[in-house]
Amino acid sequence: DTGVSQDPRHKITKRGQNVTFRCDPISEHNRLYWYRQTLGQGPEFLTYFQNEAQLEKSRLLSDRFSAERPKGSFSTLEIQRTEQGDSAMYLCASVGGLHYEQYFGPGTRLTVT
Amino acid sequence: GDSVTQMEGPVTLSEEAFLTINCTYTATGYPSLFWYVQYPGEGLQLLLKATKADDKGSNKGFEATYRKETTSFHLEKGSVQVSDSAVYFCALSRGSGGSNYKLTFGKGTLLTVNP
Repeated sequence: DTGVSQDPRHKITKRGQNVTFRCDPISEHNRLYWYRQTLGQGPEFLTYFQNEAQLEKSRLLSDRFSAERPKGSFSTLEIQRTEQGDSAMYLCASVGGLHYEQYFGPGTRLTVT
Repeated sequence: GDSVTQMEGPVTLSEEAFLTINCTYTATGYPSLFWYVQYPGEGLQLLLKATKADDKGSNKGFEATYRKETTSFHLEKGSVQVSDSAVYFCALSRGSGGSNYKLTFGKGTLLTVNP
């Protein structure tokens, strides 16, 4: 257990529905990252926050995706009008330590039917 | 852009065999290098890291040396156990000060160790 939690662990939704995922990082870490992992691939960077500020977004993050981190604590990732191509594992990482080590949560597995 | 290439799997070994998983990278500057492990049904766990050339990262009997001349960070273990069965990811991170420390991952290598 890395101390990073994600909720829900699994989500099945129908195409066109909206979904929201939550990540609770390690409390003293001010950076938080979101990644997406598709089957047979390594995780790919989506976006990151320093405190409540979203500082960078990948081109993978289409305008149907939005992420927030109110008050610099937990973060949410919302996908609007889901598509089958959104099916993936969504990973959150809490970042701290001398060399900015990333501590990953267990992930949320999204299946769009 | 940055990229990581790692040995295609799957890799199947018998218990106590020697393990090598190759990893090479492309990046400007001086990235930090990592190996992460993902056990079935779990998130990624940091296995070991190296932050500068010639550093050796080690943990749980695994080790990897940062070779800048060959842009490599190969993972080795002298005697694998059944419990080492997992997917292993090589990754790099660039950044300093306030910049983005995002990780760039390889595709992962599935290791299965048989008793």
